[in-house]
Amino acid sequence: DAKTTQPPSMDCAEGRAANLPCNHSTISGNEYVYWYRQIHSQGPQYIIHGLKNNETNEMASLIITEDRKSSTLILPHATLRDTAVYYCIVRVGAFSANFGNEKLTFGTGTRLTIIP
Amino acid sequence: KAGVTQTPRYLIKTRGQQVTLSCSPISGHRSVSWYQQTPGQGLQFLFEYFSETQRNKGNFPGRFSGRQFSNSRSEMNVSTLELGDSALYLCASSGAGQGISGANVLTFGAGSRLTVL
Repeated sequence: DAKTTQPPSMDCAEGRAANLPCNHSTISGNEYVYWYRQIHSQGPQYIIHGLKNNETNEMASLIITEDRKSSTLILPHATLRDTAVYYCIVRVGAFSANFGNEKLTFGTGTRLTIIP
Repeated sequence: KAGVTQTPRYLIKTRGQQVTLSCSPISGHRSVSWYQQTPGQGLQFLFEYFSETQRNKGNFPGRFSGRQFSNSRSEMNVSTLELGDSALYLCASSGAGQGISGANVLTFGAGSRLTVL
């Protein structure tokens, strides 16, 4: 079973910030939060990841709550090309004793539609 | 550097046949994992290989198998194809861990779309 919960769909106006929530209330201390997106039947594209601190890269920002039970992916200025299904997943770090023993699941993600 | 390459991109088979899909990971990546994606089912984990060893396997029947070669290239095979095997099959590779934090980013290929008639 997926370890994360996401809303099935969201709309956002073009040019506005898109805020995609993810609940991972059972996350353990050595698990990272990763975000991917999949644009119509292409392979999922990595966006960003984090452990406990907020992170920002050229694509997005990731805000992780202090208790790490939820996070928000922020696309600061959404464009039509950001229309996609966004997946939030958790996975232990590569140096964890449990690494490689997980059956990684993606859940159903959030279908984000950018409205012109 | 080159990304993850999957071949073939599209293929059509009939029930009862078998199929082999190929995945070439990013150079230096030793972990390759496979996923099946069908409409309404999301991405389902098939198996993961690391240094030619299957390290983990999802809940799929024995008709689904795979292997990894010494150059980290991987193949998956589906025997006795069924209509329900029609799907997008995705391969992802990852390195041993990025930096001190050990984060493990998966890089996906474009997928192989299998249609079973």
